[in-house]
Amino acid sequence: EVQLVESGGGLVKPGGSLRLSCSASGFIFSHYSMNWVRQAPGKGLEWVSSIGSTGSYIYYADSVKGRFTISRDNAKNSLYLQMNSLRAADTAVYYCVRDHPPGDRFGRDTFDIWGQGTMVTVSS
Amino acid sequence: QSALTQPASVSGSPGQSITISCTGTTSDVGGYNFVSWYQQHPGKAPKLMIYDVSNRPSGVSNRFSGSKSGNTASLTISGLHAEDEADYYCRSYSSSNTPVVFGGGTKVTVL
Repeated sequence: EVQLVESGGGLVKPGGSLRLSCSASGFIFSHYSMNWVRQAPGKGLEWVSSIGSTGSYIYYADSVKGRFTISRDNAKNSLYLQMNSLRAADTAVYYCVRDHPPGDRFGRDTFDIWGQGTMVTVSS
Repeated sequence: QSALTQPASVSGSPGQSITISCTGTTSDVGGYNFVSWYQQHPGKAPKLMIYDVSNRPSGVSNRFSGSKSGNTASLTISGLHAEDEADYYCRSYSSSNTPVVFGGGTKVTVL
């Protein structure tokens, strides 16, 4: 079964840091570009970041550029999001999302598999 | 403010058809056929319903269909069922500042 499982969410103070992880199974992880998408409570979906299948390209939303770092370890079938200088506005459920089709499409694709999400709360 | 514009809500009775619009620009919806639609029930992860404007993934009901005209993409749900009540989001590739843009979402209510 194709599956994405996020972990690492929690409560953090403004200005703090958190590292999210996403464990992939059921498919050849190294063949797919991957993404993080977030959803603030009661709000819509917001794309956060994308990374190519080998890390060959990385994109960020303006709202997180300079504070968040996306990375992956294909040997461990894992995707990561390092979040620094966190703000209240970063409070959201963070989803790990797979691109379709496989390969590096630089956004010219679709999001076909979503994890269940992990909640990040930034509050003092 | 989302990059793509969707109506906040759409409603219909069981058995009816409804259409949700998603309006962008020539830099996204109008310029490329990388438009997809996602269904999200409360407390659940989004689910892909339509990709590349009008293609349905395996397992998605043929009551869901997609189309595009100019800068506006549309999702049509035919023969509304109670379980279609959910939030729906469009997504497009964009050649502007960032490669991925979402619509603000549309709440579908089955009366």
